[in-house]
Amino acid sequence: AQKVTQAQTEISVVEKEDVTLDCVYETRDTTYYLFWYKQPPSGELVFLIRRNSFDEQNEISGRYSWNFQKSTSSFNFTITASQVVDSAVYFCALSEGSTGTGNQFYFGTGTSLTVIP
Amino acid sequence: DAGVIQSPRHEVTEMGQEVTLRCKPISGHNSLFWYRQTMMRGLELLIYFNNNVPIDDSGMPEDRFSAKMPNASFSTLKIQPSEPRDSAVYFCASSFGATNEKLFFGSGTQLSVL
Repeated sequence: AQKVTQAQTEISVVEKEDVTLDCVYETRDTTYYLFWYKQPPSGELVFLIRRNSFDEQNEISGRYSWNFQKSTSSFNFTITASQVVDSAVYFCALSEGSTGTGNQFYFGTGTSLTVIP
Repeated sequence: DAGVIQSPRHEVTEMGQEVTLRCKPISGHNSLFWYRQTMMRGLELLIYFNNNVPIDDSGMPEDRFSAKMPNASFSTLKIQPSEPRDSAVYFCASSFGATNEKLFFGSGTQLSVL
């Protein structure tokens, strides 16, 4: 079973529109961490945010915001007033627990966002 | 500060040849991860090390793949013999792993096996 599900494979929006990327995760651990990464066309993976399971406060960083809801096991990502530079593949990831031996990261399959000028 | 450094950036080889991918993690990081990215399968974890010890290699596709981390500043991923289906982008990432810190990714190696 997928630990992290990103149901939206591809999304296209027109510039300045808002867009929300969905992420649903599955874990039995009470301590876990959620991440979002951006992969622009150049190929590198860029860290966007890390959130632990005990902090359900939503977070806003400029045009980016994240909505963490444990009740629905979701960690959705919203881009407000999208720009062409936001075009990229976005990955949601889960890291479980803290075993002291390092932790495996589970990545979703990614959502490819295209912002049309 | 230098990030995660991978080499080569691109590798083109013929089926049957040995391929070695290299990674230098960020100094001070104690976890290192090898991922493979393809269109069909997305990002797959191949193996990860903590303090130079392999912790989970269940993602290594088969015996043709092997990974080593002889010291804290260097890791290799070897494919022998290579096959066309191994063509992918291979990413190395490092973190200060025990505290679920974020992964820092290298630029990746684009491997093409003809």
